[in-house]
Amino acid sequence: GENVEQHPSTLSVQEGDSAVIKCTYSDSASNYFPWYKQELGKRPQLIIDIRSNVGEKKDQRIAVTLNKTAKHFSLHITETQPEDSAVYFCASGGTSYGKLTFGQGTILTVHP
Amino acid sequence: GAVVSQHPSRVICKSGTSVKIECRSLDFQATTMFWYRQFPKKSLMLMATSNEGSKATYEQGVEKDKFLINHASLTLSTLTVTSAHPEDSSFYICSATETGHMNTEAFFGQGTRLTVV
Repeated sequence: GENVEQHPSTLSVQEGDSAVIKCTYSDSASNYFPWYKQELGKRPQLIIDIRSNVGEKKDQRIAVTLNKTAKHFSLHITETQPEDSAVYFCASGGTSYGKLTFGQGTILTVHP
Repeated sequence: GAVVSQHPSRVICKSGTSVKIECRSLDFQATTMFWYRQFPKKSLMLMATSNEGSKATYEQGVEKDKFLINHASLTLSTLTVTSAHPEDSSFYICSATETGHMNTEAFFGQGTRLTVV
């Protein structure tokens, strides 16, 4: 089955800096790659996703890049703010309706 | 966006009892729903795929007799933790994708914090 590896497990940055989280996946048939933000005790919230027919997608301070050949994708957050502090999960899917395989998560802390 | 409602949000039960958790898609139909388990500071681990009108598909290592799943309609899936034990204490969360849309957002319920005492 699919395996998703996510790094780093923790990331600490100063407010205003950029944060980058990287994921790799194993199933070459996967074609949908969402990123979720989860606050403590809450449900994961989709922040951005990318499909395999594009290499990059941007939404304000958030961007995702995808390299299908290398089977890796990354989340980039620019101009980080304290409210960006949360756990971020990457995931892969697209081979079965709605089924996602999640990475291990990254605890992002943005210091004021 | 679409809404998935999960109930209850918190439950405390005694060892040996059973607990039922409901997952409802409020404004869309979901032929398939998913149940995840999340330990503190850990990722979401897929437990099973709930299929409307048929048996659930369980991931390796998940006891189907322990975690009973019923998906009787296109908007409701239930997870019953039978004969609960303290080690079953966890955060359980469901997700659903609108029927017929493979590469679209999965919507999550708010999760259920189960504590078995």
